[in-house]
Amino acid sequence: KQEVTQIPAALSVPEGENLVLNCSFTDSAIYNLQWFRQDPGKGLTSLLLIQSSQREQTSGRLNASLDKSSGRSTLYIAASQPGDSATYLCAVSNSGYALNFGKGTSLLVTP
Amino acid sequence: DAGVTQSPTHLIKTRGQHVTLRCSPISGHKSVSWYQQVLGQGPQFIFQYYEKEERGRGNFPDRFSARQFPNYSSELNVNALLLGDSALYLCASSRQDLYEQYFGPGTRLTVT
Repeated sequence: KQEVTQIPAALSVPEGENLVLNCSFTDSAIYNLQWFRQDPGKGLTSLLLIQSSQREQTSGRLNASLDKSSGRSTLYIAASQPGDSATYLCAVSNSGYALNFGKGTSLLVTP
Repeated sequence: DAGVTQSPTHLIKTRGQHVTLRCSPISGHKSVSWYQQVLGQGPQFIFQYYEKEERGRGNFPDRFSARQFPNYSSELNVNALLLGDSALYLCASSRQDLYEQYFGPGTRLTVT
């Protein structure tokens, strides 16, 4: 059974800092990994999708890496802003459709 | 283009009642998945439908059922509601397997 763990559970940083969110998974036989952002009480916004054959993906200030053999992914956020405050969720797919989610990292960026 | 839409936004039901939640995928997307998210946890996979057929089912009791219509919209039905069914129910759509999944805003279900 796939287990997804996200560390840290919560993080508070001052505006402008670069930061790294971590995700680990126990079963490396994945099809893809997706990072999401969730604002309180809202749905999920897809940030980045990494296929199993890829090592990283970039979108604006976000960069996600994937090391399938070690069961790890990181989400790097450059020059953080207060608007980045949200919960960030990592999800992996072993089936091609069902996503297994971690519990998320709650990020607070203070002005 | 419109994103994934879900209705209703909020719902309050009593234990033992039945509920139907609705989802419309992004135009051109043929796959719809349902997830349950309880407070403080990541979403849990319930069902996936592709081309109107059930492709996968998570570890949920038979009280949960779903279907997909010819226009690719979907319904999630929950019978005999329990207090523990209170959660945010999320619908996601994608073009097909292995593709990026896009989530709707969710339906907040409260069971009293």
